[in-house]
Amino acid sequence: QVKLQQSGAELVKPGASVKLSCKTSGYTFSTSYMSWFKQIPGQSIEWIGMIYAGDGGTGYNQKFKGKATLTVDTSSSTAYMDLSSLTTEDSAVYFCARVGELGFAYWGQGTLVTVSS
Amino acid sequence: DIQMTQSPASLSASLEEIVTITCKASQGIDDYLSWYQQKPGKSPQLLIYDATSLADGVPSRFSGSRSGTQYSLKISRPQVDDSGIYYCLQSYSTPLTFGSGTKLEIK
Repeated sequence: QVKLQQSGAELVKPGASVKLSCKTSGYTFSTSYMSWFKQIPGQSIEWIGMIYAGDGGTGYNQKFKGKATLTVDTSSSTAYMDLSSLTTEDSAVYFCARVGELGFAYWGQGTLVTVSS
Repeated sequence: DIQMTQSPASLSASLEEIVTITCKASQGIDDYLSWYQQKPGKSPQLLIYDATSLADGVPSRFSGSRSGTQYSLKISRPQVDDSGIYYCLQSYSTPLTFGSGTKLEIK
């Protein structure tokens, strides 16, 4: 069955960067798209962007350009998201989700990122 | 960006009621609309895709409809387990955008 396993919670200092991972199994990763989302606790969800694992092609929400960088490693069927120059406003739960023709049916469990000195 | 105006922000319903949640798109989205349920500390779960299609494994008490640019999620005879936060999502154009969410309590 399809699984998306995200990396564990991160506590990072302001100004630092962090790399989140989303390891997949149960489907053909190399011909699929992956999206990433941000959710501040108690708030709605924002779409960060998506990446096509076949060629690494990306599309970003303008709001997150320069903040998030999406990459993939097809050898390990893993998607990554780098978040740079972190501020307290980047403290949130970040989700990966497989882009499917029938909506986002498969999600990772989320990674909590806390930015604090 | 396409704005999704979701209402109500919260509601409480009994087991015998019909619950309706709506999302109005700021422009036409050609039924590229999905609905999700989220429980505390969990990732969103797909309920409806393409505005009216029921996702695999989702109970038939959930249904989706459209009238113009307004989309609705209906829950007929909700169960206590249906409590949670519901979101709509438009995937017609990027950036994808969610509604603000509806917190549902089933008494």
